[in-house]
Amino acid sequence: DQQVKQNSPSLSVQEGRISILNCDYTNSMFDYFLWYKKYPAEGPTFLISISSIKDKNEDGRFTVFLNKSAKHLSLHIVPSQPGDSAVYFCAASEGRTGNQFYFGTGTSLTVIP
Amino acid sequence: GAVVSQHPSWVICKSGTSVKIECRSLDFQATTMFWYRQFPKQSLMLMATSNEGSKATYEQGVEKDKFLINHASLTLSTLTVTSAHPEDSSFYICSAKKGLAGDEQFFGPGTRLTVL
Repeated sequence: DQQVKQNSPSLSVQEGRISILNCDYTNSMFDYFLWYKKYPAEGPTFLISISSIKDKNEDGRFTVFLNKSAKHLSLHIVPSQPGDSAVYFCAASEGRTGNQFYFGTGTSLTVIP
Repeated sequence: GAVVSQHPSWVICKSGTSVKIECRSLDFQATTMFWYRQFPKQSLMLMATSNEGSKATYEQGVEKDKFLINHASLTLSTLTVTSAHPEDSSFYICSAKKGLAGDEQFFGPGTRLTVL
């Protein structure tokens, strides 16, 4: 049972425009969320996180929005750059120090120069 | 920084043999390490959680006798795939947390296992 879902397997965006990656979850106990970026044949790299006490967290070009009532979060990248082309995973856990993270299936982002 | 390494990065073995994959935290002590498996175009699936000095906790559906995990020190965890079969071919990724208070997992680069 997939508790974290990323329904868009791929996304193409023009360089300089905004990339919006979406993630939905089913477990209402999740209260800590992270986004990871992954290049082929490499391990994921942490991008940004958000706890359920917030609805927005921003770090440079990356902003994560959390809608708890809809059990939905999104990652906005603006402006998008060709180097952002990678697979993006969202992950969720029960609590900031929770050991178990549940990952979505990933969205492959291609930024077109 | 927080660097996690894995060795080897790619291994090819014959069916029936055992393969050991190492995961090391290079510049920090990791009380907890995790092993994930990723099939092509699929999510990272947590296989087991490994705490230093104690037995690993395996996720449902993961055979503990097939995937042996040893967390011998605060900087090293090993995953041994015993009697490997072609269906074990996958990308195995480890991650480590900086102690109990850390909220971020630092991932290794992954190991691609191909079983012929």
